[in-house]
Amino acid sequence: EVQLVESGGGLVQPGGSLRLSCAASGFTFSHYWMTWVRQAPGKGLESLATVKADGSGAYFVESVKGRFTISRDNAQDSLYLQMNSLRAEDTAVYYCARDVAVGTSGGQMHYWGQGTLVTVSS
Amino acid sequence: DIQMTQSPSSLSAYVGDRVTITCRASQNIGSWLAWYQQKPGKAPKLLIYKASSLESGVPSRFSGSGSGTDFTLTISSLQPDDFATYYCQEYSSARTFGQGTKVEVK
Repeated sequence: EVQLVESGGGLVQPGGSLRLSCAASGFTFSHYWMTWVRQAPGKGLESLATVKADGSGAYFVESVKGRFTISRDNAQDSLYLQMNSLRAEDTAVYYCARDVAVGTSGGQMHYWGQGTLVTVSS
Repeated sequence: DIQMTQSPSSLSAYVGDRVTITCRASQNIGSWLAWYQQKPGKAPKLLIYKASSLESGVPSRFSGSGSGTDFTLTISSLQPDDFATYYCQEYSSARTFGQGTKVEVK
């Protein structure tokens, strides 16, 4: 059974940092791209960044470029999102999701974690 | 950047109604489109991918159609479990989501 479990969320002051983790199981982690998606309270879904199997990342939201870093450890079956210089508008539930398999076409996200809440407030 | 526009933003319907939600891309995305269902406090659930392929385990009352810039999600006979918010998502480039369509009880 595919499982994705996020951790690392919490309350942080503006300007602070957090590192989110996503532990994957039930599939060959190194064979898939992985994506972070967030959802601000009462708002829609926003894709933040995708990391390819080799660790190279792509960022989709201008406001997080230079502040957030997506990474992965294939040996630990884990995905990470390092978030620096956090702002009130980064308050959201952050989801990790399994993206496309290496060597295939696509980008639909079949599996999602349960999400972890990040609250940026003083 | 590709923009995804869903309509309507919300709708009210009865159980048994046929419901249609549309999604328009700002440029040609071929068939690289997915639909998700999300209930309050839960992660999104994939319903449809590649515009019209039904995800395993998803009831056949859900269907998707379209290509290029115009896409549709149809629920043929709305069931009580279907009241939720629905999102389209392109994966031609940046995995952009539409703003969502909330389906409520009439």
